[in-house]
Amino acid sequence: RKEVEQDPGPFNVPEGATVAFNCTYSNSASQSFFWYRQDCRKEPKLLMSVYSSGNEDGRFTAQLNRASQYISLLIRDSKLSDSATYLCVVNGRTYRDNAGNMLTFGGGTRLMVKP
Amino acid sequence: EAGVTQFPSHSVIEKGQTVTLRCDPISGHDNLYWYRRVMGKEIKFLLHFVKESKQDESGMPNNRFLAERTGGTYSTLKVQPAELEDSGVYFCASSPLGQGFYGYTFGSGTRLTVV
Repeated sequence: RKEVEQDPGPFNVPEGATVAFNCTYSNSASQSFFWYRQDCRKEPKLLMSVYSSGNEDGRFTAQLNRASQYISLLIRDSKLSDSATYLCVVNGRTYRDNAGNMLTFGGGTRLMVKP
Repeated sequence: EAGVTQFPSHSVIEKGQTVTLRCDPISGHDNLYWYRRVMGKEIKFLLHFVKESKQDESGMPNNRFLAERTGGTYSTLKVQPAELEDSGVYFCASSPLGQGFYGYTFGSGTRLTVV
Protein backbone atom coordinates (compact mmCIF):
# COMPACT_ATOMS: atom_id res chain seq x y z
CA ARG A 1 0.00 0.00 0.00
CA LYS A 2 1.32 3.47 -0.86
CA GLU A 3 1.94 5.84 2.04
CA VAL A 4 -0.11 8.59 0.39
CA GLU A 5 -2.81 7.64 -2.08
CA GLN A 6 -4.51 9.92 -4.57
CA ASP A 7 -6.82 9.44 -7.52
CA PRO A 8 -4.56 10.27 -10.50
CA GLY A 9 -7.45 11.73 -12.53
CA PRO A 10 -7.50 13.57 -14.84
CA PHE A 11 -10.36 15.70 -13.62
CA ASN A 12 -11.71 17.63 -16.58
CA VAL A 13 -13.89 20.54 -15.47
CA PRO A 14 -15.27 23.69 -17.10
CA GLU A 15 -14.19 27.13 -15.97
CA GLY A 16 -16.13 28.24 -12.94
CA ALA A 17 -16.74 24.73 -11.66
CA THR A 18 -16.04 23.53 -8.14
CA VAL A 19 -13.77 20.50 -7.90
CA ALA A 20 -12.61 18.44 -4.94
CA PHE A 21 -9.59 16.19 -4.54
CA ASN A 22 -9.03 13.69 -1.79
CA CYS A 23 -6.14 11.72 -0.49
CA THR A 24 -5.52 9.19 2.25
CA TYR A 25 -2.33 8.59 4.19
CA SER A 26 -1.22 5.47 5.99
CA ASN A 27 1.06 6.78 8.75
CA SER A 28 -1.13 7.66 11.73
CA ALA A 29 1.84 9.43 13.35
CA SER A 30 1.99 12.06 10.59
CA GLN A 31 1.77 15.57 11.95
CA SER A 32 2.01 17.92 9.01
CA PHE A 33 0.04 17.97 5.80
CA PHE A 34 0.27 19.97 2.63
CA TRP A 35 -1.06 20.43 -0.84
CA TYR A 36 1.54 21.17 -3.47
CA ARG A 37 0.92 22.19 -7.05
CA GLN A 38 3.12 21.01 -9.90
CA ASP A 39 2.87 22.40 -13.39
CA CYS A 40 4.03 20.31 -16.32
CA ARG A 41 7.80 19.84 -16.26
CA LYS A 42 8.19 22.20 -13.32
CA GLU A 43 9.06 21.79 -9.67
CA PRO A 44 6.46 21.25 -6.94
CA LYS A 45 5.36 24.44 -5.22
CA LEU A 46 3.57 24.71 -1.92
CA LEU A 47 -0.07 25.59 -2.41
CA MET A 48 -1.16 25.47 1.20
CA SER A 49 -0.65 23.74 4.48
CA VAL A 50 -3.56 21.75 5.90
CA TYR A 51 -4.63 22.30 9.49
CA SER A 52 -6.86 20.18 11.69
CA SER A 53 -9.53 22.85 11.87
CA GLY A 54 -9.58 23.25 8.11
CA ASN A 55 -8.27 26.31 6.35
CA GLU A 56 -9.07 28.49 3.41
CA ASP A 57 -6.96 30.56 1.07
CA GLY A 58 -9.06 32.44 -1.44
CA ARG A 59 -10.75 29.91 -3.68
CA PHE A 60 -8.95 27.00 -2.06
CA THR A 61 -10.14 25.13 1.03
CA ALA A 62 -8.27 22.30 2.69
CA GLN A 63 -9.64 19.86 5.24
CA LEU A 64 -8.03 17.20 7.39
CA ASN A 65 -9.71 14.25 9.07
CA ARG A 66 -7.16 12.62 11.34
CA ALA A 67 -9.48 9.82 12.44
CA SER A 68 -9.98 8.70 8.84
CA GLN A 69 -6.46 9.77 7.77
CA TYR A 70 -8.00 11.71 4.95
CA ILE A 71 -7.13 15.08 3.42
CA SER A 72 -9.15 17.08 0.93
CA LEU A 73 -8.71 20.12 -1.30
CA LEU A 74 -11.66 22.06 -2.69
CA ILE A 75 -11.20 24.55 -5.51
CA ARG A 76 -14.08 26.91 -6.17
CA ASP A 77 -14.65 28.94 -9.34
CA SER A 78 -11.96 27.06 -11.28
CA LYS A 79 -9.73 29.10 -13.57
CA LEU A 80 -7.83 27.95 -16.63
CA SER A 81 -4.66 28.70 -14.69
CA ASP A 82 -5.61 26.11 -12.07
CA SER A 83 -4.77 23.37 -14.56
CA ALA A 84 -1.92 21.45 -12.97
CA THR A 85 -1.15 18.35 -10.92
CA TYR A 86 -2.05 18.63 -7.25
CA LEU A 87 0.17 16.67 -4.88
CA CYS A 88 -0.94 15.56 -1.44
CA VAL A 89 2.10 15.63 0.84
CA VAL A 90 2.63 14.39 4.36
CA ASN A 91 5.65 14.71 6.58
CA GLY A 92 7.77 11.64 7.17
CA ARG A 93 9.79 10.75 10.22
CA THR A 94 10.83 13.35 12.75
CA TYR A 95 14.18 13.96 14.35
CA ARG A 96 14.43 15.24 17.86
CA ASP A 97 17.06 17.85 17.16
CA ASN A 98 16.08 19.02 13.72
CA ALA A 99 12.74 19.87 12.19
CA GLY A 100 14.07 19.26 8.69
CA ASN A 101 11.85 16.30 7.93
CA MET A 102 11.43 14.36 4.77
CA LEU A 103 8.22 14.73 2.80
CA THR A 104 6.13 11.84 1.51
CA PHE A 105 4.32 12.59 -1.72
CA GLY A 106 1.22 11.15 -3.26
CA GLY A 107 1.26 10.43 -6.96
CA GLY A 108 -0.75 13.56 -7.71
CA THR A 109 -4.14 14.34 -9.18
CA ARG A 110 -4.21 16.00 -12.56
CA LEU A 111 -6.70 18.81 -13.08
CA MET A 112 -7.60 20.21 -16.47
CA VAL A 113 -9.85 23.26 -16.56
CA LYS A 114 -11.47 23.83 -19.94
CA PRO A 115 -12.93 27.08 -21.34
CA GLU B 1 16.63 36.16 -3.28
CA ALA B 2 17.94 33.47 -5.61
CA GLY B 3 16.07 30.20 -5.47
CA VAL B 4 17.37 26.65 -5.45
CA THR B 5 19.47 26.13 -8.55
CA GLN B 6 20.08 22.78 -10.17
CA PHE B 7 22.49 21.92 -12.95
CA PRO B 8 22.22 20.56 -15.55
CA SER B 9 18.55 20.92 -16.38
CA HIS B 10 18.74 17.93 -18.70
CA SER B 11 21.23 15.11 -19.10
CA VAL B 12 21.21 12.20 -21.51
CA ILE B 13 23.82 9.54 -20.88
CA GLU B 14 24.46 5.98 -21.89
CA LYS B 15 24.01 3.08 -19.53
CA GLY B 16 27.21 2.51 -17.61
CA GLN B 17 28.36 6.12 -17.73
CA THR B 18 28.69 8.46 -14.79
CA VAL B 19 26.63 11.58 -14.22
CA THR B 20 26.96 14.23 -11.54
CA LEU B 21 24.07 16.48 -10.64
CA ARG B 22 24.59 19.70 -8.74
CA CYS B 23 22.34 21.64 -6.42
CA ASP B 24 22.92 25.12 -5.03
CA PRO B 25 20.50 25.74 -2.16
CA ILE B 26 19.17 29.09 -1.09
CA SER B 27 21.94 30.91 0.74
CA GLY B 28 21.79 30.22 4.45
CA HIS B 29 19.61 27.13 4.19
CA ASP B 30 21.26 24.41 6.24
CA ASN B 31 18.79 21.71 5.25
CA LEU B 32 19.28 20.26 1.78
CA TYR B 33 17.24 17.40 0.36
CA TRP B 34 17.37 15.27 -2.75
CA TYR B 35 14.21 13.73 -4.20
CA ARG B 36 13.48 12.01 -7.48
CA ARG B 37 10.51 11.10 -9.60
CA VAL B 38 10.84 8.14 -11.92
CA MET B 39 8.34 7.63 -14.72
CA GLY B 40 4.86 6.85 -13.51
CA LYS B 41 5.80 7.00 -9.84
CA GLU B 42 5.46 9.52 -7.08
CA ILE B 43 8.23 11.86 -5.96
CA LYS B 44 10.41 9.99 -3.47
CA PHE B 45 12.89 11.13 -0.86
CA LEU B 46 16.53 10.20 -1.40
CA LEU B 47 18.48 11.92 1.36
CA HIS B 48 18.80 14.87 3.67
CA PHE B 49 21.83 16.95 4.62
CA VAL B 50 22.10 19.26 7.57
CA LYS B 51 25.00 21.47 6.65
CA GLU B 52 27.67 19.03 5.48
CA SER B 53 26.37 16.03 7.44
CA LYS B 54 24.07 13.36 6.08
CA GLN B 55 21.08 13.32 8.41
CA ASP B 56 19.16 10.62 6.59
CA GLU B 57 20.11 8.67 3.48
CA SER B 58 17.50 5.97 3.85
CA GLY B 59 15.99 6.76 0.45
CA MET B 60 19.15 6.19 -1.56
CA PRO B 61 18.34 3.26 -3.84
CA ASN B 62 21.76 1.58 -3.87
CA ASN B 63 25.48 2.20 -3.66
CA ARG B 64 25.66 3.50 -7.22
CA PHE B 65 24.39 6.79 -5.81
CA LEU B 66 26.75 9.05 -3.90
CA ALA B 67 25.79 12.42 -2.47
CA GLU B 68 28.15 14.98 -1.03
CA ARG B 69 27.88 18.42 0.44
CA THR B 70 31.39 19.57 1.13
CA GLY B 71 31.53 22.76 3.17
CA GLY B 72 27.81 22.71 3.74
CA THR B 73 27.01 24.78 0.67
CA TYR B 74 26.22 23.16 -2.67
CA SER B 75 25.61 19.45 -3.04
CA THR B 76 26.37 16.92 -5.74
CA LEU B 77 24.66 13.65 -6.51
CA LYS B 78 26.71 11.22 -8.53
CA VAL B 79 25.31 8.16 -10.23
CA GLN B 80 27.98 5.64 -11.19
CA PRO B 81 27.43 3.54 -13.22
CA ALA B 82 24.05 4.74 -14.45
CA GLU B 83 21.33 2.19 -15.22
CA LEU B 84 18.20 2.56 -17.31
CA GLU B 85 15.96 2.62 -14.22
CA ASP B 86 17.78 5.71 -12.95
CA SER B 87 15.99 7.81 -15.56
CA GLY B 88 13.72 10.40 -14.01
CA VAL B 89 13.63 13.90 -12.62
CA TYR B 90 15.91 14.65 -9.68
CA PHE B 91 14.76 17.49 -7.46
CA CYS B 92 16.76 19.28 -4.85
CA ALA B 93 15.13 21.29 -2.08
CA SER B 94 16.40 23.39 0.79
CA SER B 95 14.97 24.86 3.95
CA PRO B 96 16.26 26.89 6.88
CA LEU B 97 17.22 25.03 10.01
CA GLY B 98 14.27 24.92 12.37
CA GLN B 99 11.61 25.44 9.69
CA GLY B 100 11.91 21.99 8.24
CA PHE B 101 9.25 21.13 5.77
CA TYR B 102 7.39 24.42 6.22
CA GLY B 103 10.27 26.25 4.62
CA TYR B 104 10.87 23.93 1.69
CA THR B 105 11.82 25.41 -1.66
CA PHE B 106 12.36 23.08 -4.58
CA GLY B 107 14.68 23.55 -7.49
CA SER B 108 13.42 23.08 -11.02
CA GLY B 109 15.00 19.64 -11.24
CA THR B 110 17.42 17.75 -13.46
CA ARG B 111 15.80 15.50 -16.03
CA LEU B 112 18.07 12.46 -16.40
CA THR B 113 17.65 10.07 -19.29
CA VAL B 114 19.75 6.92 -19.38
CA VAL B 115 19.76 5.20 -22.77
